[in-house]
Amino acid sequence: GAGVSQSPSNKVTEKGKDVELRCDPISGHTALYWYRQSLGQGLEFLIYFQGNSAPDKSGLPSDRFSAERTGGSVSTLTIQRTQQEDSAVYLCASSPAPPSGPPGIYNEQFFGPGTRLTVL
Amino acid sequence: AQSVAQPEDQVNVAEGNPLTVKCTYSVSGNPYLFWYVQYPNRGLQFLLKYITGDNLVKGSYGFEAEFNKSQTSFHLKKPSALVSDSALYFCAVRDHNNAGNMLTFGGGTRLMVKP
Repeated sequence: GAGVSQSPSNKVTEKGKDVELRCDPISGHTALYWYRQSLGQGLEFLIYFQGNSAPDKSGLPSDRFSAERTGGSVSTLTIQRTQQEDSAVYLCASSPAPPSGPPGIYNEQFFGPGTRLTVL
Repeated sequence: AQSVAQPEDQVNVAEGNPLTVKCTYSVSGNPYLFWYVQYPNRGLQFLLKYITGDNLVKGSYGFEAEFNKSQTSFHLKKPSALVSDSALYFCAVRDHNNAGNMLTFGGGTRLMVKP
């Protein structure tokens, strides 16, 4: 079956522009996560969705970052007024069950290939 | 708060030799532990996880990991390394008490297997 897909695979933008990154999770997966992987860094959690709601936005680095999820499926991460420090690979992951309480909490997350964002 | 440490930025092994990639963790409750591998220009692929039960967990591609509660470690191992195992490896932990259920990742360890 199809895995998690992300688009675009690469995005080059100028400082100050807005960008939108898209994630299509695996069909039926209720949990969706966004992470950021900066050069030489590990993975940094950004936001988590359960269905269309985001119970945990604690990782969003500033109010320039926002995300939404519609229909319990596709998610869009928006970065407004991009800065050079936003350059990174943005990874999306989905998980097949609600994460709170067993068995969902046991489930691994399935990652997409990422979007490489370069802010000039 | 939960955290993961991967003390080695890079591990070099010769093909055919055993390999170990180290991981230690810190959580307030029971840990759920995961290993992921990332090949160049690819997303992360799940290798294995520890939830409960047997401390030795077997996963994909011949990898295994040993959960050691007293040492708060979850080292990744393989008896005989392949050149194709060369990649970036991430250890991750989820705290049973973490309502957000996010994974906290270590900084990653680059494994280089030389012929």
